[in-house]
Amino acid sequence: EDQVTQSPEALRLQEGESSSLNCSYTVSGLRGLFWYRQDPGKGPEFLFTLYSAGEEKEKERLKATLTKKESFLHITAPKPEDSATYLCAGHSGGGADGLTFGKGTHLIIQP
Amino acid sequence: DAGITQSPRHKVTETGTPVTLRCHQTENHRYMYWYRQDPGHGLRLIHYSYGVKDTDKGEVSDGYSVSRSKTEDFLLTLESATSSQTSVYFCAMSRTDYNEQFFGPGTRLTVL
Repeated sequence: EDQVTQSPEALRLQEGESSSLNCSYTVSGLRGLFWYRQDPGKGPEFLFTLYSAGEEKEKERLKATLTKKESFLHITAPKPEDSATYLCAGHSGGGADGLTFGKGTHLIIQP
Repeated sequence: DAGITQSPRHKVTETGTPVTLRCHQTENHRYMYWYRQDPGHGLRLIHYSYGVKDTDKGEVSDGYSVSRSKTEDFLLTLESATSSQTSVYFCAMSRTDYNEQFFGPGTRLTVL
């Protein structure tokens, strides 16, 4: 059974304090690893897709990396507006087994 | 995502009543999905569509049906709502079955 596990469940950082969020996965024949940001009361907002081990993608203060067993979302010098829940999802192929989501990491950046 | 909307955004209904949620997209994406999101769970797939009139079941499809008569509209129906179907429902779309999915703003459904 495909599984995606995110850690920690919650993380509180000071503004400017860099850290990483972890996403470990057991998804058969992984065809893509997705990161989303979700603000309270809103739908998930797409951030990154990673397709192969060693791949990295960056956007502003965020960088996502992928190995054969896990993905990391690195947050450099975060600001309060980076506070959100970050979701990771693995894609094993099309159809009903398409996207398996983790439960998310709730990130709070304190000024 | 600005190209995908959901209606209604909030709904309160009573056990046993039928409920239909609507998802509308303007991006001409082939694939559309319905998920539910509950505390302590990740997003879980209810049903998905891979084209007009082409749909299939997801992980938690019991008690739900869907229809897609036009590319832009994907309807989720609860034939007889139960309290266990109280949740936040998200619709999503994608160009292919392996591209990123783009989500709507969600519908908060409460079944009393």
